[in-house]
Amino acid sequence: EAGVVQSPRYKIIEKKQPVAFWCNPISGHNTLYWYLQNLGQGPELLIRYENEEAVDDSQLPKDRFSAERLKGVDSTLKIQPAELGDSAVYLCASSSGPITGELFFGEGSRLTVL
Amino acid sequence: GDSVTQMEGPVTLSEEAFLTINCTYTATGYPSLFWYVQYPGEGLQLLLKATKADDKGSNKGFEATYRKETTSFHLEKGSVQVSDSAVYFCALKRGDKLIFGTGTRLQVFP
Repeated sequence: EAGVVQSPRYKIIEKKQPVAFWCNPISGHNTLYWYLQNLGQGPELLIRYENEEAVDDSQLPKDRFSAERLKGVDSTLKIQPAELGDSAVYLCASSSGPITGELFFGEGSRLTVL
Repeated sequence: GDSVTQMEGPVTLSEEAFLTINCTYTATGYPSLFWYVQYPGEGLQLLLKATKADDKGSNKGFEATYRKETTSFHLEKGSVQVSDSAVYFCALKRGDKLIFGTGTRLQVFP
């Protein structure tokens, strides 16, 4: 069974440019998460989806960040425009439901903003 | 608010040494507790978990016991291997999300 797939693995852009990250969760997993991991820190939740509905986006900086999961399967996280402080790893995770607690993570997308 | 505190790394050990990575939490009630591991170049993966006080989670020779008296969930292994070199994250579950500690890097040398 394929795991959580993220792309791109690495992205280098100049500040003020847009960037998008894509995530395909494990088949059948209705819950999808985007986490932000700064260097030397633990992951922090940005947004959680239950199917196509964003049920927790309280930590998503909505002035420049947006996310979508239109058909309740794969998801895209966008930053526009990117700032220097956005350099980090963006992690996607999925689970079969919020109760089990086990999240399956992708390898992450490392963003460098110059 | 809820939070998780881990010992700072890196933790450097020789192969077959005993490992302890400390983790304490602050939370109301009794949240489920987890240890995740991130091997080089890979995503985070669940190592073990405990859902109530006095539970012991175990996997791959690692153990952690949920201690409500000391609000701790320390990770232990009796004999580490070079292949255990990774970053270890302690986490608690609040509602439907995980709150992670900052991670502890373990380096094991032959």
